[in-house]
Amino acid sequence: EAGVTQFPSHSVIEKGQTVTLRCDPISGHDNLYWYRRVMGKEIKFLLHFVKESKQDESGMPNNRFLAERTGGTYSTLKVQPAELEDSGVYFCASSPDTGKLVEKLFFGSGTQLSVL
Amino acid sequence: SQQGEEDPQALSIQEGENATMNCSYKTSINNLQWYRQNSGRGLVHLILIRSNEREKHSGRLRVTLDTSKKSSSLLITASRAADTASYFCATGPYSSASKIIFGSGTRLSIRP
Repeated sequence: EAGVTQFPSHSVIEKGQTVTLRCDPISGHDNLYWYRRVMGKEIKFLLHFVKESKQDESGMPNNRFLAERTGGTYSTLKVQPAELEDSGVYFCASSPDTGKLVEKLFFGSGTQLSVL
Repeated sequence: SQQGEEDPQALSIQEGENATMNCSYKTSINNLQWYRQNSGRGLVHLILIRSNEREKHSGRLRVTLDTSKKSSSLLITASRAADTASYFCATGPYSSASKIIFGSGTRLSIRP
């Protein structure tokens, strides 16, 4: 069974440009999460999808960030326009625990985003 | 900062020794989970303890939970070089059944 995959693994862009990160969760996992870790700090929650619906987007920093999960399969996270403080590692995670407490997340390897 | 805070931030021990990491959190929780991250990789789920449990074991791992102090500890016994990684606690807040919140992690180094 394939794990959670993220693309690209690294992205270097200039301030003001647009970047789109992609996450393919484990097949059949309805829950999909985006997290970000900046400079060795905490792994910060960004948002949570259940199928194609945004269950909780309270962690999204501002309106420069747009997450989608059309069809309830893969998800994209677009940053437009990118700022220097957006640099960090963006993790995607999925979970099969639908309709009850989520007790285990499966993580991708992350996308290292560097904004110059 | 968010819910979980691990302590210490970094820990270096000799192979064979035990490693203890602590986690404190702020709000009521449904469960607490520990994850490991090897450099450049994704996080891997290690163990979960529910709010009505006080201690749990899995192989060389022992987790305790004290809900009155809002704290947890992860003990790794007989450490090995392969245990070198960052360890994170994550909490499932009582207010949200599906939101999992992480701390900043403990970086564990095992010296051969």
